[in-house]
Amino acid sequence: GAVVSQHPSWVICKSGTSVKIECRSLDFQATTMFWYRQFPKQSLMLMATSNEGSKATYEQGVEKDKFLINHASLTLSTLTVTSAHPEDSSFYICSAPVETQYFGPGTRLLVL
Amino acid sequence: TQLLEQSPQFLSIQEGENLTVYCNSSSVFSSLQWYRQEPGEGPVLLVTVVTGGEVKKLKRLTFQFGDARKDSSLHITAAQPGDTGLYLCAGAPGNQFYFGTGTSLTVIP
Repeated sequence: GAVVSQHPSWVICKSGTSVKIECRSLDFQATTMFWYRQFPKQSLMLMATSNEGSKATYEQGVEKDKFLINHASLTLSTLTVTSAHPEDSSFYICSAPVETQYFGPGTRLLVL
Repeated sequence: TQLLEQSPQFLSIQEGENLTVYCNSSSVFSSLQWYRQEPGEGPVLLVTVVTGGEVKKLKRLTFQFGDARKDSSLHITAAQPGDTGLYLCAGAPGNQFYFGTGTSLTVIP
């Protein structure tokens, strides 16, 4: 089946720094990818839809200037958390729709 | 307001008991999916229901899609500790894919 990878799997950073998370489709092309954030014991909240070659579509309440999304190729989407703060600490996961949803393994971010 | 509301949010039961999780929406879905997620991992697809009124069984799990395709339920018979996890319904009313609010299930041995 289709495989989606994420890198890094976990990251610890200081408050104020920026963190880039990569989401790759390894054996298929994805014109669309979804980015989710999940807090402990909560569901996955859709943050934005990444569109290859065009601007991302952000969900209501998600700051597009803080969570920068770039989908420069058909196999790679990146999410950059700019000026990260402790409240941004969360589990970030991407998915790519190919008949069904294929999920990356997730990235755990801890901002100190 | 969440697009897909699940109930209950938390459920703790004894091994061997039965349980039902509900997923409700005011929107119509062409299909709904159910996932199970372990901490620190991505969600794993359990089933996709497509037809209104459809019932699918997966061993001790029974999934039903509402006639109007706005709601779904997951019934687990004789729950086991291995069923412990976060259960999520999900669907795409349009171009985006949304998850329900989630049900955290704990099965006590």
